Amino acid sequence: ETGVTQSPTHLIKTRGQQVTLRCSSQSGHNTVSWYQQALGQGPQFIFQYYREEENGRGNFPPRFSGLQFPNYSSELNVNALELDDSALYLCASNRDRGGEQYFGPGTRLTVT
Amino acid sequence: GEDVEQSLFLSVREGDSSVINCTYTDSSSTYLYWYKQEPGAGLQLLTYIFSNMDMKQDQRLTVLLNKKDKHLSLRIADTQTGDSAIYFCAESMNSGYSTLTFGKGTMLLVSP
Repeated sequence: ETGVTQSPTHLIKTRGQQVTLRCSSQSGHNTVSWYQQALGQGPQFIFQYYREEENGRGNFPPRFSGLQFPNYSSELNVNALELDDSALYLCASNRDRGGEQYFGPGTRLTVT
Repeated sequence: GEDVEQSLFLSVREGDSSVINCTYTDSSSTYLYWYKQEPGAGLQLLTYIFSNMDMKQDQRLTVLLNKKDKHLSLRIADTQTGDSAIYFCAESMNSGYSTLTFGKGTMLLVSP
């Protein structure tokens, strides 16, 4: 059974740029959630995708957007990057929107 | 609103028991989770408890839930240096989408 994978591992961007982060869900999982973890904080929920549709959203502006593909992998897109977007971005997957969420290793984004 | 609080730091000696505490405010929480995060890594699901249970034991881990006081604890028996990490408490309501609300994490330092 393949776990949750994310790419890239690290990324450095400049303020104002756009970024795309990728996530492959665990085998058999059709639900993907994205979280932002700032330094020294717990993860904050960004949004969730279930069967290719957004299924819930946290308190993040519209410049945070996402996609889920037919194979249940997912992308997180952030436009007009700000310095405060620097964080570890975590992807988690589970089955049918319920049950335990299993996390990937994260993508460390640095905005300069 | 939802809020999860944890003490920030705990230091123990190898072989001792560790107890990490967490309080939550949302009485409609259905599942409560403990995750472990090692430096630079994603989140590892350690254990969880359903809200109608008082206790759950899993090898060296014991979870206690006091619903009346909205208090959750994680006891690690015979703590090892490899247990040094940040431990996050999280609650989930499964209200249409399974978002997790995390505390800020407790850093556990185990000294030899």
